[in-house]
Amino acid sequence: NAGVTQTPKFQVLKTGQSMTLQCAQDMNHEYMSWYRQDPGMGLRLIHYSVGAGITDQGEVPNGYNVSRSTTEDFPLRLLSAAPSQTSVYFCASSYSSSRQYEQYFGPGTRLTVT
Amino acid sequence: AQSVTQPDIHITVSEGASLELRCNYSYGATPYLFWYVQSPGQGLQLLLKYFSGDTLVQGIKGFEAEFKRSQSSFNLRKPSVHWSDAAEYFCAVGALNTNAGKSTFGDGTTLTVKP
Repeated sequence: NAGVTQTPKFQVLKTGQSMTLQCAQDMNHEYMSWYRQDPGMGLRLIHYSVGAGITDQGEVPNGYNVSRSTTEDFPLRLLSAAPSQTSVYFCASSYSSSRQYEQYFGPGTRLTVT
Repeated sequence: AQSVTQPDIHITVSEGASLELRCNYSYGATPYLFWYVQSPGQGLQLLLKYFSGDTLVQGIKGFEAEFKRSQSSFNLRKPSVHWSDAAEYFCAVGALNTNAGKSTFGDGTTLTVKP
C-alpha cells in the first residue's frame, strides 16, 4: 500500500509555463483534495473531488484546473504559472465513512516559479 | 463559514515539560475536529480526531485533546514532551457528505523543544 503519492517532489517553472502535478492513491478513497501551503498561512484548499467525474472549487482555485477521470488519480494543472503560485502543494484523500474520515496526505510538491 | 484559529504561532518548551497547543473553531453544526503534525519537509500525519462521544480523545505519540463545545475549543496536550515532538502542528475542522474533503486548517503552531 503506497498511500498517497505525488510527483514531482520539486519543480522550477518560468512565468507563463504550464505543468501538471500528479497525485495518486491506492486506498480506494472517494474524496481527494489539493491544498497549497504557504509560510504562516496553513493549508488552503484549491480544488476537491467527491468521486470520479465530480470536482469543485475550494478557497483559492484561480490559475488551477483539475479533473478526476478515475478514483485513483487527481492531477492538478497550472495553466500559466505565476510567481504567486510558488508554494508547497499537498494532495490528500479520505473515505466517505464518518468513522474513517481523516485525510491522508501525500509528501508534497515544492514548486518555485521564477 | 467554518474557520480555525491557532492563537500561538510559536511555542518553546523544555524536554520533559508538559505541552498545550490551543485551537478554537467556528462551525455551524457538530464539528469534526482533527490535529495533524508536520515534520520539516514532510506531509501531514494525523495525531487524533474527534467526531462524537467522549470529549477527551487519545491519539498517537502520547497526545490527547479535549473538545469543549462551550468554549469552541479543541486543545492538544501532552504530559511530557520529547525532543522528537519538535514540528508544526495543525488543527483542522472538517465535514461529511458533500463537504467531505474540504477541511479548513488553522495557520499552525511551531513547537521547539529545548534540551
